[in-house]
Amino acid sequence: AQSVSQHNHHVILSEAASLELGCNYSYGGTVNLFWYVQYPGQHLQLLLKYFSGDPLVKGIKGFEAEFIKSKFSFNLRKPSVQWSDTAEYFCAVSNSGGYQKVTFGIGTKLQVIP
Amino acid sequence: NAGVTQTPKFQVLKTGQSMTLQCAQDMNHEYMSWYRQDPGMGLRLIHYSVGAGITDQGEVPNGYNVSRSTTEDFPLRLLSAAPSQTSVYFCASLTNDRRYTFGSGTRLTVV
Repeated sequence: AQSVSQHNHHVILSEAASLELGCNYSYGGTVNLFWYVQYPGQHLQLLLKYFSGDPLVKGIKGFEAEFIKSKFSFNLRKPSVQWSDTAEYFCAVSNSGGYQKVTFGIGTKLQVIP
Repeated sequence: NAGVTQTPKFQVLKTGQSMTLQCAQDMNHEYMSWYRQDPGMGLRLIHYSVGAGITDQGEVPNGYNVSRSTTEDFPLRLLSAAPSQTSVYFCASLTNDRRYTFGSGTRLTVV
């Protein structure tokens, strides 16, 4: 069975600081990888996804993530965070091909201080 | 397109009561799922469906039933509500490019 591990459960940063949120997954086959964001009081929205090709994926709002297959990792990065990035971030994995169950990590709460 | 529509947004139940959380999508997506979100536990899959007439269990199916009589609707039934089912419930459907579109959620409290 696939699983997702997010290392940082609560991160506090000042505006303009750089962000890196860790995500590791376990699955023996080919995977699809996702980062979702949930702003306070809202539902989850997709930030970015990786299916194949260039392991450096760019998403919305200046976020990017790098898939490192040898490390089973898909870390999320942003060079300079803003107060509006305060939210909870979820890494997710599914096995590729067809309709597959998506497994979510437990989430990382990011608080950006003005 | 309205996307994924969930009703109600809030609900308070007494222990032992039953109810149905409604979920509808107008995007003709085959794959739909129900998740519950609890603090410190992320999203956990309750049930999912790969098309009308086909459903299957996720990680935490106990106490919940689903059916999928049409492509559009995927209701979640709580048979006999328990305080452990206090949670936020999200319905989602899978787009053609394999990303989830989520509904706005139902916040359920069981007292």
